[in-house]
Amino acid sequence: SYELSQPPSVSVSPGQTARITCSGDKWGDKYASWYQQRPGQSPVLVIYQDSRRPSGIPERFSGSNSGNTATLTISGTQAIDEADYYCQAGDSSTVVFGGGTKLTVL
Amino acid sequence: QVQLVESGGGVVQPGMSLRLSCAASGFIFRTFGMHWVRQAPGKGLEWVAFISYDGTKKYFGDSVKGRFTISRDNSKNTIDLQMNSLRAEDTAVYYCAKSGRSTSSPYLDSWGQGILVTVSS
Repeated sequence: SYELSQPPSVSVSPGQTARITCSGDKWGDKYASWYQQRPGQSPVLVIYQDSRRPSGIPERFSGSNSGNTATLTISGTQAIDEADYYCQAGDSSTVVFGGGTKLTVL
Repeated sequence: QVQLVESGGGVVQPGMSLRLSCAASGFIFRTFGMHWVRQAPGKGLEWVAFISYDGTKKYFGDSVKGRFTISRDNSKNTIDLQMNSLRAEDTAVYYCAKSGRSTSSPYLDSWGQGILVTVSS
């Protein structure tokens, strides 16, 4: 199995760009996905296959994956983006989540 | 739209069993794999199990392997999670989630509202 590491917290001012990283030593050819979880709610997929955005997810959410680090970028961060964010990877027989990052918009 | 509704949660004593169900609608159920993911109180997400679209492939997280089983009924659009030999550390909200199209690089594109399982004497 492998592990994904995220910073426990990230802070950003409204309107600025937030970047949340996810490090793994076995990214290889694995794709990254990202989930947003607001307090008391179920997770929502915001990015899959490194950079693809599901329908209904605002364009300010984007993703990239290079080397050993996947990154979720939120441009023009809004107060409603304050949430926990989880990265995820996997293969045909397993799924792994990062520990989660609490994004604070202050 | 996709709807996933979990049921069967509750309070159970250590060592006992519990069966969770997830009823799916809004998509062609028989063509998608399904997952269970859990979240202990105040903690992060932990993947529990996966079942392929036809039920022939089943995979489990290390912490539940040998104690939990997963099944599906494509005629009823449901999946079940049978949890045996429950431990206090199994206490969590359990989410049913639909798999995206890719099987080699899985992602979970829709989630249920979750159901709480509490293991306590």
